[in-house]
Amino acid sequence: AQSVTQLGSHVSVSEGALVLLRCNYSSSVPPYLFWYVQYPNQGLQLLLKYTTGATLVKGINGFEAEFKKSETSFHLTKPSAHMSDAAEYFCAVSEGGGADGLTFGKGTHLIIQP
Amino acid sequence: DAGVIQSPRHEVTEMGQEVTLRCKPISGHNSLFWYRQTMMRGLELLIYFNNNVPIDDSGMPEDRFSAKMPNASFSTLKIQPSEPRDSAVYFCASSVGVTGELFFGEGSRLTVL
Repeated sequence: AQSVTQLGSHVSVSEGALVLLRCNYSSSVPPYLFWYVQYPNQGLQLLLKYTTGATLVKGINGFEAEFKKSETSFHLTKPSAHMSDAAEYFCAVSEGGGADGLTFGKGTHLIIQP
Repeated sequence: DAGVIQSPRHEVTEMGQEVTLRCKPISGHNSLFWYRQTMMRGLELLIYFNNNVPIDDSGMPEDRFSAKMPNASFSTLKIQPSEPRDSAVYFCASSVGVTGELFFGEGSRLTVL
């Protein structure tokens, strides 16, 4: 069965600092991997996704993630944090190309210190 | 373009009452998913439909929960009778094809007293 582990339920960084949110997955087949962001009282919106091909994926708002098969990881990074990045971030995996839904991690709350 | 529309946004009810949550997916999307979000368990997939047909309801917690999709533009999630432990935010999401990208509604926050 597929699963996702996000290390750190809360991550705090200073404005302008590097953002690194960690995600490790378990999958029996080549996975599709996703990062979603959730702002307060809103639904989830897609930041980026990896399906096949290039392992470094660029998303919206300056975020990117790198698929590392050997480490079963898909960490999310952003070179310089902005106050507007404060939100909940979810990593997700699918073995069926997404047609059978996504399995989400527990989420990481990103706090931006001024 | 309209996104996924859920109603009601907030529902407060008493234990034992019936609750019906509604979802209108994005036009043209052929898959619909119901998720539940709680602090303790995170996001859980309850059930999903492909072309209006329920495919996997193994995530539905109990027989008190049921979901229907009578047509491509409407789905309901019903809880009867409701219990305090059902308090959560319920999300509906839709997708098309096998892109894997789910489009989420803003959620229905349910509080059962």
